Amino acid sequence: AQSVTQLDSQVPVFEEAPVELRCNYSSSVSVYLFWYVQYPNQGLQLLLKYLSGSTLVKGINGFEAEFNKSQTSFHLRKPSVHISDTAEYFCAVSDPGGSNYKLTFGKGTLLTVNP
Amino acid sequence: KAGVTQTPRYLIKTRGQQVTLSCSPISGHRSVSWYQQTPGQGLQFLFEYFSETQRNKGNFPGRFSGRQFSNSRSEMNVSTLELGDSALYLCASSLTTAGNTEAFFGQGTRLTVV
Repeated sequence: AQSVTQLDSQVPVFEEAPVELRCNYSSSVSVYLFWYVQYPNQGLQLLLKYLSGSTLVKGINGFEAEFNKSQTSFHLRKPSVHISDTAEYFCAVSDPGGSNYKLTFGKGTLLTVNP
Repeated sequence: KAGVTQTPRYLIKTRGQQVTLSCSPISGHRSVSWYQQTPGQGLQFLFEYFSETQRNKGNFPGRFSGRQFSNSRSEMNVSTLELGDSALYLCASSLTTAGNTEAFFGQGTRLTVV
């Protein structure tokens, strides 16, 4: 079984500061990794994904994430945040070998960017 | 192109009633998944349909059911509603069932059970 742990439920930061949202996963098989963002009263939007290859993945809105297999982590980073980045962020995994599609999500991290 | 459309956006039901939620996937997408989102449990997988067949089911009671039509539109049904069923129900569509495919989410249906 797969599981995802997002270590911080809330992260407050000031505008233009860097931010890191932490994600660790547990799986007996290799996985695909995703970060999604959810704005208030909205669905989820894909920020970036790691499938294979380079461990540093760049996504939309200036976000990037680094896959670390030995630490089973996939932390999300942004060098300078904006007020508009205030949202909830979800880390998720899927099983490459599965014959059906299922995402296992972490509990989410609420990023609040203050002026 | 149009995104994933979920209807209705908001719903208020009474305990014991049943409810049907609808999801229209992106054109050409054949896989539809459903998730329940609550403050306590987070996002939990309900089930996934591909080509009108349920391929995978999460750990939910039999009161939760779904189906997919030949045009890939999907519905989920919850019978004998309980207060704990109050949640945001999200539908996601994807081109295939492969694990590396991107899932596109709708805005959700917020169900309140009173």
